[in-house]
Amino acid sequence: EPEVTQTPSHQVTQMGQEVILRCVPISNHLYFYWYRQILGQKVEFLVSFYNNEISEKSEIFDDQFSVERPDGSNFTLKIRSTKLEDSAMYFCASSEENVATFGSGTQLSVL
Amino acid sequence: GQQLNQSPQSMFIQEGEDVSMNCTSSSIFNTWLWYKQDPGEGPVLLIALYKAGELTSNGRLTAQFGITRKDSFLNISASIPSDVGIYFCAGLPAGGTSYGKLTFGQGTILTVHP
Repeated sequence: EPEVTQTPSHQVTQMGQEVILRCVPISNHLYFYWYRQILGQKVEFLVSFYNNEISEKSEIFDDQFSVERPDGSNFTLKIRSTKLEDSAMYFCASSEENVATFGSGTQLSVL
Repeated sequence: GQQLNQSPQSMFIQEGEDVSMNCTSSSIFNTWLWYKQDPGEGPVLLIALYKAGELTSNGRLTAQFGITRKDSFLNISASIPSDVGIYFCAGLPAGGTSYGKLTFGQGTILTVHP
């Protein structure tokens, strides 16, 4: 079964530091996404990416966030200067069309 | 933005019992999805629904896309201990511009006592 792979599984960082979360989407998928889930809450959409550009983003995805597909396989989420409230589980997902397949997530803890 | 109201928030049942949970919205959705999330893992797709009125089964799971396109339910029959987890509904709103920009419900925490 093809899967979305995320690294690292856990990331601890100091407030104000930059972090990069990495994802390898399913190889034949064309649409890529980042979602986040604050502990005990629902999953929230951050951004979608298609054809090498952002197709949609939520109000959460402010100037501190950026995404990149640096090569043919990786898809990254960068948070420039982390805040305490950025602590959450971050999920990468990919899809051919409607149905997104999610990775196992990166647990980000900002201290 | 669109909101999905999922209920119940949690359920405590005995093994073998049937379970039902649902999601409602004030907006129309084009696609309804049901995911299960285990602790520390990402959501895993259980059932996808694409047409109003559609009733789809996956083993002991059955889900329906409401006729009004504003609701969906998920039933689990004859529950077993491994059904434990958090169940999320998710929808793609009508008129949306992006594949996969899902709106999630708040989740139903299911506990199954052996």
